[in-house]
Amino acid sequence: QSVLTQPPSVSAAPGQRVTISCSGSSSNIGNYDVSWYRHLPGTAPKLLIYDNNRRPSGIPDRFSGSKSGTSATLEITGLQTGDEADYYCESWDNSLSAAMFGGGTKLTVL
Amino acid sequence: QVQLQESGPGLVRPSQTLSLTCTVSGGSINSDGYYWSWIRHVPGKGLEWLGYIYYTGRTYYSPSLKSRLFISLDTSKNQFSLKLTSVTAADTAFYYCARDQDGHYRYWGQGTLVTVSS
Repeated sequence: QSVLTQPPSVSAAPGQRVTISCSGSSSNIGNYDVSWYRHLPGTAPKLLIYDNNRRPSGIPDRFSGSKSGTSATLEITGLQTGDEADYYCESWDNSLSAAMFGGGTKLTVL
Repeated sequence: QVQLQESGPGLVRPSQTLSLTCTVSGGSINSDGYYWSWIRHVPGKGLEWLGYIYYTGRTYYSPSLKSRLFISLDTSKNQFSLKLTSVTAADTAFYYCARDQDGHYRYWGQGTLVTVSS
């Protein structure tokens, strides 16, 4: 059971918008930045968002992140079938002195 | 462009020690500001942060693995390594090395599957 809580799955149709939430506490999200990763099992995770809302070069602006209090959100617009993957939030937790990943959310593009 | 590459046995016997090495190219492991990390993915489960080491040798480990995990640096080879003792089938996973910069992981190795089985 991760200290960062994500919904197990989300789904939407191609072209639509989806949001993935990541809920934490003052030990982690409340005081540390959040990053988001896309993961296809068996391949290296890919950084989508860092410092809550910044995109690395090469990541399209269809992907955006936000943070409010002890929660963070990843938003994906203009969904494509190629967006199907597992998505993870990550933040440092100072009560555990450890980096923590959320449990992951499986995105299905119907 | 920084590149990381994991290497090590793909099969480990139960109760033995899992040993992996990550070779870093395109940048020095002996640099301020980067934390050299190990992360794993158990098939069917989520990503799990294992720990990291700073160029000074300072380490942080996952509380759940702290008693079995050891991460070290070899600056002469630009490598860092993981040793996980007393493994069980629950340690079967894809193991990734990655570079932590300011709390995020931009660069990852391709991952290596380690199976714990007799």
